[in-house]
This record gives sequence, C-alpha cells and structure tokens, in this order.
Amino acid sequence: SQKIEQNSEALNIQEGKTATLTCNYTNYSPAYLQWYRQDPGRGPVFLLLIRENEKEKRKERLKVTFDTTLKQSLFHITASQPADSATYLCALDDSSYKLIFGSGTRLLVRP
Amino acid sequence: DAGVIQSPRHEVTEMGQEVTLRCKPISGHDYLFWYRQTMMRGLELLIYFNNNVPIDDSGMPEDRFSAKMPNASFSTLKIQPSEPRDSAVYFCASSPQRGGGTGELFFGEGSRLTVL
Repeated sequence: SQKIEQNSEALNIQEGKTATLTCNYTNYSPAYLQWYRQDPGRGPVFLLLIRENEKEKRKERLKVTFDTTLKQSLFHITASQPADSATYLCALDDSSYKLIFGSGTRLLVRP
Repeated sequence: DAGVIQSPRHEVTEMGQEVTLRCKPISGHDYLFWYRQTMMRGLELLIYFNNNVPIDDSGMPEDRFSAKMPNASFSTLKIQPSEPRDSAVYFCASSPQRGGGTGELFFGEGSRLTVL
C-alpha cells in the first residue's frame, strides 16, 4: 500500500523567510496530491491540489511542486508570517481511490 | 453554508460504554468520510460513503465500530463497547467528489473521544 513520509520534526523559521516542507511517497505515483493546513483543535483545511502532469502550482504566497521521478512534493510558503504557524499535511490517493494523509509537519514562524 | 457539523465536540466515557458520534455533511456533497487522528498513527480513513451507501469500510478497526448514513444529511459512527485505545479525535469530512481529481475534502472540527 501507499506510504507517505513527512518530516516529523518541527520546522522553525524566522518571519519573512521561505518555509519549505517535504512530502515523500513510496510505491506508485498518485494521480494528484493535496496539501492541508491543520491548526490545534481544528479540522484540516484544504490549501492546494496538484496533478501528476503539473510540475508546479501557485496560490498567493503558496507554491507546490510535484516530482514523480523523485516521488516527492515540496510545499513552499514565501514571506512567512507568524499566522502561518500550523501543521501541514500532505495527502494523496491510494490505489483504491481513498485519500490518505501523511503525519504532517509542524511549522513555527518566529516574529 | 455552516460547513460540516460534528457532535459532540468532546466525549469522555468509561470503558465498555457505547459511544455515538454524529455528522452532518455539507448539503449537496455526495461523499462522506470518517477519519480517526492520533499522535501515533496520524489521520486514518475508517470508512466512506457515496450517496449514503458504504463503499469501503476496510479501515474500520474492529467489529466494535459501525457507521451508518440513513440519509444525505446525517451519519453516525458508533463504538460498542468502547476501549481506552479508541481514544482519539474522530473527524467527519464531505466532498462533492470522491476526494480525488478536483475533490477537496471539507472537514468538521472533530469529536475528541476519551475512554477511561
């Protein structure tokens, strides 16, 4: 079955810098990949979706890349702000069309 | 739209008791998903429905867990009898699609279950 790996260690960066989070997967390449944000005590909130034939997707200060050769997606937040502090989850479909999630990476942006 | 609504937000119960979690999906969404989140295992898909019909329940951990969707606006997840290892946050999510393609998932705020 598909396995998703996200860095379990928190990423701690200075306000204004670019945050880069990594999502690696094993086995087959999914048709698409999604990123979600989760704040403490809240449900995940959808941010971006990228398809296998798309190399890059942007939305305001967010950018996602998808490298099917490396089996990796990178999630970037430019000009980071303390309000960006949260846990970011990577999600993709498994072979039976179910959306499965990585364990998430916690981002802390210091003012 | 109010989004996906879950109740209760918090539930504390004793081992052996029955627990029922409730979910109201977003109107017009054909797919409903139940996930469980723990520190150790992250977000796990338990079961999902399409047009009120259970499609895949392979994530349901044991026969103690059951889920129903009697109509398009209501679903329940029941644990009977509950055990301490069932302690987790249970999320309900809905989607106008399967959760694939362009279908993002809309999550509720979750039900935090503690079994003593």
